Amino acid sequence: DQQVKQNSPSLSVQEGRISILNCDYTNSMFDYFLWYKKYPAEGPTFLISISSIKDKNEDGRFTVFLNKSAKHLSLHIVPSQPGDSAVYFCAASARKGSNYKLTFGKGTLLTVNP
Amino acid sequence: NAGVTQTPKFQVLKTGQSMTLQCAQDMNHEYMSWYRQDPGMGLRLIHYSVGAGITDQGEVPNGYNVSRSTTEDFPLRLLSAAPSQTSVYFCASSYDTGLAKNIQYFGAGTRLSVL
Repeated sequence: DQQVKQNSPSLSVQEGRISILNCDYTNSMFDYFLWYKKYPAEGPTFLISISSIKDKNEDGRFTVFLNKSAKHLSLHIVPSQPGDSAVYFCAASARKGSNYKLTFGKGTLLTVNP
Repeated sequence: NAGVTQTPKFQVLKTGQSMTLQCAQDMNHEYMSWYRQDPGMGLRLIHYSVGAGITDQGEVPNGYNVSRSTTEDFPLRLLSAAPSQTSVYFCASSYDTGLAKNIQYFGAGTRLSVL
């Protein structure tokens, strides 16, 4: 049972336009949501996060929106740049015992065309 | 600024061979974990450790062993490699998994092929 879903395997946008990456989840016990970015032949790197008690978090060109009632979050990149081309993973954090564990989505490949 | 270091970067094994994937971190993180990434499957947790001497199973532990004798190192052992273990393996560490904002830092990965 996939608790974190990224239903779009890929997304292609023009440089300068907005990129919107979507993520849905099923577990209402998730406390935090994180986005990771992964370039080929590299490990994922943390990009931005949002607490389950917030509905928006912004960091420069990156904004994450959370809609708890819909169990949906999205990552907006404005303006998109060719260097943003990468795989983006949505991850959710839930308590298991005394620790928090991450559950990852399958990822969305973003291609930003010059 | 080494962070999380994985060796080797690439490895080809024959079915039935054994090997150890190495992972070391220099950030004094208590939590370390191993993931595998397969096409269309995202990142799946294999094993994790919340400190030296403590390990536990993740989502897909079968065929893998781990141990944690020091804070810095967390090797992943394949005792008898199978073609189904062909994958890219990532090691990760984090400072404190008692926080909901569990930011993990990843190594560059080991690409393993089992023939």
